[in-house]
Amino acid sequence: RKEVEQDPGPFNVPEGATVAFNCTYSNSASQSFFWYRQDCRKEPKLLMSVYSSGNEDGRFTAQLNRASQYISLLIRDSKLSDSATYLCVVVLYSGAGSYQLTFGKGTKLSVIP
Amino acid sequence: DGGITQSPKYLFRKEGQNVTLSCEQNLNHDAMYWYRQDPGQGLRLIYYSQIVNDFQKGDIAEGYSVSREKKESFPLTVTSAQKNPTAFYLCASSPRLGSMNTEAFFGQGTRLTVV
Repeated sequence: RKEVEQDPGPFNVPEGATVAFNCTYSNSASQSFFWYRQDCRKEPKLLMSVYSSGNEDGRFTAQLNRASQYISLLIRDSKLSDSATYLCVVVLYSGAGSYQLTFGKGTKLSVIP
Repeated sequence: DGGITQSPKYLFRKEGQNVTLSCEQNLNHDAMYWYRQDPGQGLRLIYYSQIVNDFQKGDIAEGYSVSREKKESFPLTVTSAQKNPTAFYLCASSPRLGSMNTEAFFGQGTRLTVV
């Protein structure tokens, strides 16, 4: 089983739709989680952190389910500008005071007019 | 402005040549990382460094080398031993050692093409 798995998509949705992505992780000792956004031919940028209690930032909601080892990202009222690839990131303590970031392959979202 | 800078943005290399990609950050971050991204693929970790003069291999270190002589700098050398070096290379940094809740900041990437 891969360390971090995402549905690659693409997800093609109309403007205004609600879309959800899931990401599963294999190591139960994983300690923190993020969603990044990557535009075509650009670097990834942090979208939001994911907390156990769930967190919301405008149209975006992130959830963590430790028991089932997955995180989710919900986008409401999709905009054309939301079209991008969304990367799930899992942080694991790798010993000697260091942490390793592991990225999923990303889920591609296309919002259609 | 604080940030992380990669150069060059585009790089062409002849087969059999070594080439070094630059990564500099002025964010005072301890940890730095090099990733490789191929079309339609996720990020794969090449090397990472949590402190000056120390670095560890990632998942795909073969054919690459790094150094961390200064906190601000983490150059990556793509050697002739790397069989398929054409890819998008991303450098990232994150704050203090041991900070699990901190994000990684990325440079704009270097697109390497072997001709």
